[in-house]
Amino acid sequence: EAGVTQSPTHLIKTRGQQATLRCSPISGHTSVYWYQQALGLGLQFLLWYDEGEERNRGNFPPRFSGRQFPNYSSELNVNALELEDSALYLCASSLVLREGADTQYFGPGTRLTVL
Amino acid sequence: AQKITQTQPGMFVQEKEAVTLDCTYDTSDPSYGLFWYKQPSSGEMIFLIYQGSYDQQNATEGRYSLNFQKARKSANLVISASQLGDSAMYFCAMRDFLGNQFYFGTGTSLTVIP
Repeated sequence: EAGVTQSPTHLIKTRGQQATLRCSPISGHTSVYWYQQALGLGLQFLLWYDEGEERNRGNFPPRFSGRQFPNYSSELNVNALELEDSALYLCASSLVLREGADTQYFGPGTRLTVL
Repeated sequence: AQKITQTQPGMFVQEKEAVTLDCTYDTSDPSYGLFWYKQPSSGEMIFLIYQGSYDQQNATEGRYSLNFQKARKSANLVISASQLGDSAMYFCAMRDFLGNQFYFGTGTSLTVIP
């Protein structure tokens, strides 16, 4: 069974540009989560989509946005890129192990570099 | 306030020895889940083990076990018989159902010494 996939692997942009990152969840998973991991730091929660709806978002400005498509794949858009947006962006999809328990399975990440 | 605290930025362990990675959490939600993930240098996050707040027994998965002490709000990961391939960053995480969000700690870098 295929795991979570993300594209592109690497993305290089300049300040002010827009970046689009893509994620395909594990087959059967309906929830997709996005995280930002700056170099040497932990994961910061960005967005959570489930069944096509945004369920929650972390403490990030509105220029971070996304959507989930009917096939449950997801897109993260970052507008007006700033240097500090350079990070590894991880996508995860979840499977409910049992009632109330969601384990997230992560993709390999997209490394975004803003010059 | 920090939801997940990992106080050990770096740890060293001799191959074949056991090691404990500390994690404390903060939540007022009576129902929550606790997770540990491993992140090798390749960057991918690998799920290791899960503990539910209502689980009576400590979770175990192969060489990984979770020492869950609910009253102390701690969820330490124990790795037995360390292997060189265990060298990685380890993240503790919590699923807070009240807040409808996942929280991750800052991670512990584990190095296994031959």
